[in-house]
Amino acid sequence: DTGVSQDPRHKITKRGQNVTFRCDPISEHNRLYWYRQTLGQGPEFLTYFQNEAQLEKSRLLSDRFSAERPKGSFSTLEIQRTEQGDSAMYLCASSLIGTGGTDTQYFGPGTRLTVL
Amino acid sequence: AQSVTQLDSQVPVFEEAPVELRCNYSSSVSVYLFWYVQYPNQGLQLLLKYLSGSTLVKGINGFEAEFNKSQTSFHLRKPSVHISDTAEYFCAVKTGTASKLTFGTGTRLQVTL
Repeated sequence: DTGVSQDPRHKITKRGQNVTFRCDPISEHNRLYWYRQTLGQGPEFLTYFQNEAQLEKSRLLSDRFSAERPKGSFSTLEIQRTEQGDSAMYLCASSLIGTGGTDTQYFGPGTRLTVL
Repeated sequence: AQSVTQLDSQVPVFEEAPVELRCNYSSSVSVYLFWYVQYPNQGLQLLLKYLSGSTLVKGINGFEAEFNKSQTSFHLRKPSVHISDTAEYFCAVKTGTASKLTFGTGTRLQVTL
């Protein structure tokens, strides 16, 4: 069973540059989540998709952030005009939601972004 | 709104000793509770979860947790820890109507000989 994968694992960029991260969920999982984790903190929710529809976005997701899941499989998270405050670990999780009950989220290894 | 409090930022313990990591949540509706472990420079691995039914749940690596609704707690326990259990542990909550997980700030478990 292949888990959630993320690419790249590490990204160093200069302030003002654009960056894009990719997440491949567990096969046939219909939900995909993005979280951000800063040093010494727990992950904070950014956004999630059910299939290709983006159903919720956090207030943390400024206009410089955009996420897509075009075919309901992999997802990309783009940050435009990066700032030093964007330095963090970006975590992706996927889950399978059915009728009733709740879903269990499984996380990828994360992409660590450093903005110089 | 849902929230999670992990009172202990660090817990030092000797190998083979028992440990309890505390987690309290705040929610006005029914909740689902999770514990995740994070090793250095890695993502989160699910340890265990409470969705419904028995309030004592068992997870991987010998960990267990007990859901206590009256005290709004979900403490994680292990009777005998190993060096390899050294990691960051996160408690998370999800209400019945929300999709996102809300995490605590984490507890660093440091196991020494």
